[in-house]
Parts: sequence; structure tokens; C-alpha cells
Amino acid sequence: DVKVTQSSRYLVKRTGEKVFLECVQDMDHENMFWYRQDPGLGLRLIYFSYDVKMKEKGDIPEGYSVSREKKERFSLILESASTNQTSMYLCASGDGLYGYTFGSGTRLTVV
Amino acid sequence: KQEVTQIPAALSVPEGENLVLNCSFTDSAIYNLQWFRQDPGKGLTSLLLIQSSQREQTSGRLNASLDKSSGRSTLYIAASQPGDSATYLCAVRHYSNSGYALNFGKGTSLLVTP
Repeated sequence: DVKVTQSSRYLVKRTGEKVFLECVQDMDHENMFWYRQDPGLGLRLIYFSYDVKMKEKGDIPEGYSVSREKKERFSLILESASTNQTSMYLCASGDGLYGYTFGSGTRLTVV
Repeated sequence: KQEVTQIPAALSVPEGENLVLNCSFTDSAIYNLQWFRQDPGKGLTSLLLIQSSQREQTSGRLNASLDKSSGRSTLYIAASQPGDSATYLCAVRHYSNSGYALNFGKGTSLLVTP
């Protein structure tokens, strides 16, 4: 089975901090995604990547950046955390043939 | 822009009932459609994947159908159990200006009562 591992289940950070959310997949997938999930708004795409060092903006990239230095790792960076970035963050990897696998999520609270 | 809608937003049924969850999408040029399950506070678990050339997929008590021309998919759950209580999400994979993307509906929250 494909495994997508997110480094933290829960994080509490202060406003203005730089925050790194890490995601690692073990199936050599080219496509990786970062979503955030909020009540009433559903899942919204932040960034995605097709390959190492490649990245594409999703629907809500403002305030975020990403890094993909190795194929198996896709990092989401909050340059200066704000309270409106309190959310559940979900990472996924996969392809069109076998679909996408999600990690267990990181619940981030910015205080 | 691809819009994905799920109806109903919430559903409560007694144990043992068969039920249908609906998903519709506005752009029929999709590559595939995937149904997920999400338990509270957890990540998404994939249930079924239907490629655009397929009409349905089955896994145990679950059956998903796809009618690409009308922009609709249904997830059928047979003989529901309390353990089926969760939020069910459908997602369509399609090509956008930024490349391939996965668009989600907002989900149907299912409660199966004993």
C-alpha cells in the first residue's frame, strides 16, 4: 500500500513564525499536492508539484510556498504564520491510473 | 472552472438501509473520479476510483457509478452499518490551466444509527 506520511498530527505556532509542514511518500509518485480543509469550505488546493523542483499554484497559494528537492518529499511553508491559517492541512500523492493517497493530516493552530 | 457538488450535505439512516450518495460536476472532460471516506479529525481514505472510460466500480458493499456525459456519479452503500458513519467526499481529476488538478465536493456527512 502507498504510504503518505505527514510529520506532525498537531502543531501550535505563534503568529509571525515560519512553519514547515513535511510530507513524504514511498511510491515514487511524481504528483504531490497540499490542501487545506476548513468547515463549510471543503478542501482547497494550495500548491501541487509534478516533479522534483517543479511547483504549481493551486486555488489559494497566498501566504504559502512549497519545496520539492527530492521526489518523495513535498514541504509546505508558511512564511509568516497568521491566525487565518489555522486549519487542517492534508498532503496527497498519486497518479491518474491508481488515484491519490492522502496523509493523516496536520491540525495547525496559530495563536 | 470545475465545480463539484455533493447532495445531500448530511444524511441519517437506520442500520441496514441501502443508501445513495450523489456527486455532480460541471465539466465532463474528466480523467477519473475518486470517492473518499473521512472520519472526524482524520485524513482521507480512498474507497473507489473510476476511470473516465468506466461506468462503475465495486468494492464489497460499495458500488460507484459514473455517467460522464451528464456529469454525475453515485456511491451506493448496501446494508449500511454504524461503522459506515463518516463524511464521504468525491473528487474529479481534470485538466486545468495549471495542469492536472483534483477538485473536491464538500462531502456528505453520513450517520448510521443502530
